[in-house]
Amino acid sequence: SYELTQPPSVSVSPGQTARITCSGDALPKQYAYWYQQKPGQAPVLVIYKDSERPSGIPERFSGSSSGTTVTLTISGVQAEDEADYYCQSADSSGTSWVFGGGTKLTVL
Amino acid sequence: QVQLVESGGGLVKPGGSLRLSCAASGFTFSDYYMSWIRQAPGKGLEWVSYISSSGSTIYYADSVKGRFTISRDNAKNSLYLQMNSLRAEDTAVYYCASIAARYYYGMDVWGQGTTVTVSS
Repeated sequence: SYELTQPPSVSVSPGQTARITCSGDALPKQYAYWYQQKPGQAPVLVIYKDSERPSGIPERFSGSSSGTTVTLTISGVQAEDEADYYCQSADSSGTSWVFGGGTKLTVL
Repeated sequence: QVQLVESGGGLVKPGGSLRLSCAASGFTFSDYYMSWIRQAPGKGLEWVSYISSSGSTIYYADSVKGRFTISRDNAKNSLYLQMNSLRAEDTAVYYCASIAARYYYGMDVWGQGTTVTVSS
């Protein structure tokens, strides 16, 4: 079955830039999405279509894509950005969706 | 306001069945694809199933195929997940989410989740 691979954890100091990667063979063909989940809360869509930001999401969140890897970048990280981040996409046929394993962002 | 509210979770024995519901309000439910996603305790998100706005297109994760059935009633603004032959590994918080065409099928609104525990 198709898999998306994320690093388990990323740590940054406040004001620094955090980058979270997500790798998958079908990413050149399928859009990627990023979700933020804080403890005890439902996930929130922060990036869609690889690099677009939904309304209401701060500009410090951005996304990019290169080959089989997509990257979520958080510029000027704030304490409130500490959360789990999940990438999501589909297999090459588009009929099976998948989430990455999630990355815990720690703000030091 | 836009809202999704799940219900129907609970404790069930292995091999048992449960039907989850998701009530939508604040948007035109019949225009939206919908999805179920689950999260086992302390684990990551797992996509379960999605259904098109009319119900004509349905897909399932391999882990639930043949055991779970997604459906919707657009007249009642409701989404359902019928879960049969439940296993311990189905224990999770189950979320429903709307799939937004304006966000290229990103899941933009999520419910608060309902907890399913499969245990003897």
